[in-house]
Amino acid sequence: EPEVTQTPSHQVTQMGQEVILRCVPISNHLYFYWYRQILGQKVEFLVSFYNNEISEKSEIFDDQFSVERPDGSNFTLKIRSTKLEDSAMYFCASSEAGNRGLGNTIYFGEGSWLTVV
Amino acid sequence: GQNIDQPTEMTATEGAIVQINCTYQTSGFNGLFWYQQHAGEAPTFLSYNVLDGLEEKGRFSSFLSRSKGYSYLLLKELQMKDSASYLCAVGRGSYIPTFGRGTSLIVHP
Repeated sequence: EPEVTQTPSHQVTQMGQEVILRCVPISNHLYFYWYRQILGQKVEFLVSFYNNEISEKSEIFDDQFSVERPDGSNFTLKIRSTKLEDSAMYFCASSEAGNRGLGNTIYFGEGSWLTVV
Repeated sequence: GQNIDQPTEMTATEGAIVQINCTYQTSGFNGLFWYQQHAGEAPTFLSYNVLDGLEEKGRFSSFLSRSKGYSYLLLKELQMKDSASYLCAVGRGSYIPTFGRGTSLIVHP
């Protein structure tokens, strides 16, 4: 069964360092997403990406965050200067469609656990 | 704005039936999703409702009433492996699911 894959599964970084989280969405999916989940809290939307550009972003996705699709398979989330409060599980997700019905069901990767120290 | 409300925790007995409720207030409603999330794992898709009524899928069923801003997830013949968080998520105007805090279900023997 096709799945979203993410690397690394766990990363520890020092405050102020840049981090890149990588994702390979399901191959025939067109919409890509990043969500995050701080320990014990709810899953929060960060950004959606379609046709090589951001289609929507939340207020969490400020200037220190960026996304990129550097080639035909990878989708990355960069955090430029990490803060302690960025410690969370970051989930990449993809959907076949983004505009209507069951086609916009989002399938999640296993997550990248980021610890900022 | 958006508000999604679910009970924080529920307990049930193996073999029983449990109903997890979700109420929501949102502008531009475009469907309601239920996801299951085991501790430390990714959410996995369970169901999607966009029209009023009941959708049945094996042991799990999901119900939606758009006029009442209400949904429930019904789990039958509970198994120990059903112990997990159940996340209600509402598709907004842009169809992107926004998640509630989830209901932690504990199934005991």
